[in-house]
Amino acid sequence: SAVISQKPSRDICQRGTSLTIQCQVDSQVTMMFWYRQQPGQSLTLIATANQGSEATYESGFVIDKFPISRPNLTFSTLTVSNMSPEDSSIYLCSALGVSSYNEQFFGPGTRLTVL
Amino acid sequence: AQKVTQAQTEISVVEKEDVTLDCVYETRDTTYYLFWYKQPPSGELVFLIRRNSFDEQNEISGRYSWNFQKSTSSFNFTITASQVVDSAVYFCALSEDRGSTLGRLYFGRGTQLTVWP
Repeated sequence: SAVISQKPSRDICQRGTSLTIQCQVDSQVTMMFWYRQQPGQSLTLIATANQGSEATYESGFVIDKFPISRPNLTFSTLTVSNMSPEDSSIYLCSALGVSSYNEQFFGPGTRLTVL
Repeated sequence: AQKVTQAQTEISVVEKEDVTLDCVYETRDTTYYLFWYKQPPSGELVFLIRRNSFDEQNEISGRYSWNFQKSTSSFNFTITASQVVDSAVYFCALSEDRGSTLGRLYFGRGTQLTVWP
């Protein structure tokens, strides 16, 4: 199974600033995803991070607000831009393994609070 | 349209009681995968089980058991002899086997389980 790490684990940010979250997988994976979990809510997919090309965003999420990079098969970043208190959430990175594509692993999450 | 329904938002039990968490799903695919995840207060998602649509055999792992019934589109999760450490939010999720949404997980709203000593 893949092990996923995220940095930072948590942060408190001021309104109007941006934060970049890093996701590192310890082995090659086929697909990487970014999810958001607002307080007391379920997980919602933000986008699929595509290696070497633009991410695929879900309805309601746009690249200007959540730019994503995936320069190689094991690393991705998500930036939360021009933050507002409504962006306070847990952001989770996930990945599909190479050997068993439907086995999905999650990172520990980044707990973001925007003041 | 919501694809995974967890009708129970909160459940409270006393330690050693058995508890069943319900999950009903909706999909047009014949090949799909169902998951249960546990999210303790720390926030990390802990993988519990994956089931594919062709395997309806029920599974038991220690105090955990899962009942998959395609006829009712349900994938219920039972904890036997619950413990305080079982207190967490439990998510049921669905993944469909199609190119455009491969790997994408559709989560239910989660069930908050509280086990009292």
